[in-house]
Amino acid sequence: QKEVEQDPGPLSVPEGAIVSLNCTYSNSAFQYFMWYRQYSRKGPELLMYTYSSGNKEDGRFTAQVDKSSKYISLFIRDSQPSDSATYLCAMSLYNTDKLIFGTGTRLQVFP
Amino acid sequence: DADVTQTPRNRITKTGKRIMLECSQTKGHDRMYWYRQDPGLGLRLIYYSFDVKDINKGEISDGYSVSRQAQAKFSLSLESAIPNQTALYFCATSDGGGNTEAFFGQGTRLTVV
Repeated sequence: QKEVEQDPGPLSVPEGAIVSLNCTYSNSAFQYFMWYRQYSRKGPELLMYTYSSGNKEDGRFTAQVDKSSKYISLFIRDSQPSDSATYLCAMSLYNTDKLIFGTGTRLQVFP
Repeated sequence: DADVTQTPRNRITKTGKRIMLECSQTKGHDRMYWYRQDPGLGLRLIYYSFDVKDINKGEISDGYSVSRQAQAKFSLSLESAIPNQTALYFCATSDGGGNTEAFFGQGTRLTVV
């Protein structure tokens, strides 16, 4: 079993839809949870970061962490074609440098 | 100019050849990483370095070696390339700790034939 599981998609939605992306994990010691966005032919870029449980909102993006269920989510409101990319969840233990990535979910938002 | 620069961007090489991928950064970060990305497997850590004198193996280091020539430079070598090393390779840097952002290069697409 992988430490971090993520549905690879692809997920195709119309412009304006609410998108929900999810990851599950097995290591209860993970403390830091991140979402990276990767456009085609580019390196990943940090989109959202949360520490421990709870929600964090940034514009159209909301990240949620439920440590009791070992489940994290990224919600995108009013999705735009420019949101079309691969979204990778990543997590790490306290005070370590090793990020464990999910496989990534490919999202396509069509006009 | 990009903060993290990888060269080459694309490379085709033959089985058994030695190849080096180079990474340089202008972020001033001490920590540098090499990942490979494969469809369905995501990003996997090959090697990481906390400073010039500190090199550590990641989860898939077999068949690879690295050299940290300076704070800003971290190269990855495939001593004898094999086809299952065909992948997208990324270099990344960070300021330290699991709670800091990793900055990635544009990637090197390597094909071993």
